[in-house]
Amino acid sequence: KNEVEQSPQNLTAQEGEFITINCSYSVGISALHWLQQHPGGGIVSLFMLSSGKKKHGRLIATINIQEKHSSLHITASHPRDSAVYICAVRLHSQGGSEKLVFGKGTKLTVNP
Amino acid sequence: DTGVSQDPRHKITKRGQNVTFRCDPISEHNRLYWYRQTLGQGPEFLTYFQNEAQLEKSRLLSDRFSAERPKGSFSTLEIQRTEQGDSAMYLCASSKTVNTEAFFGQGTRLTVV
Repeated sequence: KNEVEQSPQNLTAQEGEFITINCSYSVGISALHWLQQHPGGGIVSLFMLSSGKKKHGRLIATINIQEKHSSLHITASHPRDSAVYICAVRLHSQGGSEKLVFGKGTKLTVNP
Repeated sequence: DTGVSQDPRHKITKRGQNVTFRCDPISEHNRLYWYRQTLGQGPEFLTYFQNEAQLEKSRLLSDRFSAERPKGSFSTLEIQRTEQGDSAMYLCASSKTVNTEAFFGQGTRLTVV
């Protein structure tokens, strides 16, 4: 079992719909990242969270540390939001590891 | 600041050849990370540097892989005697500290034929 699980794997929506992507993890973490990856490979950091909720434009990210769960919401979705959204966690490691552990990603397609 | 840049963007090589990739992080970022991503998967950690010191290496990094960051600025990742299984996207990221967000480069897509 992966340490980071995302759902759904694929998501198709109509323009304007409210989108939710979920991320669950099974280990102690010091931070959680939401990333966006467009075709061609480039990755853009959307949020870094260690608690609570963050909002940037139409994007909202929440995290529940007790439940080991985070969600990424997109309001008023648009075709340009089509991308792969990746959840990544930094493990809470006494050894001081700084590596990120990634989920497999959620491929979002927003149709006009 | 131009962000994290990686060179080349694409590399096709024959099996058995050596390849070297370069990553230029954002200036003043002392953390530099290398990740590998295969098709349909999330990135996997390879190694990271704090300044010029290589502080952690994944078990994925076999003896054929070596990474350097000689002056604490740019980094190189070399793969010797490439194998078809090395075909992947190699991503570099940098951050100012462990508690700040990481910025990713566009990646180098390696195809071993």
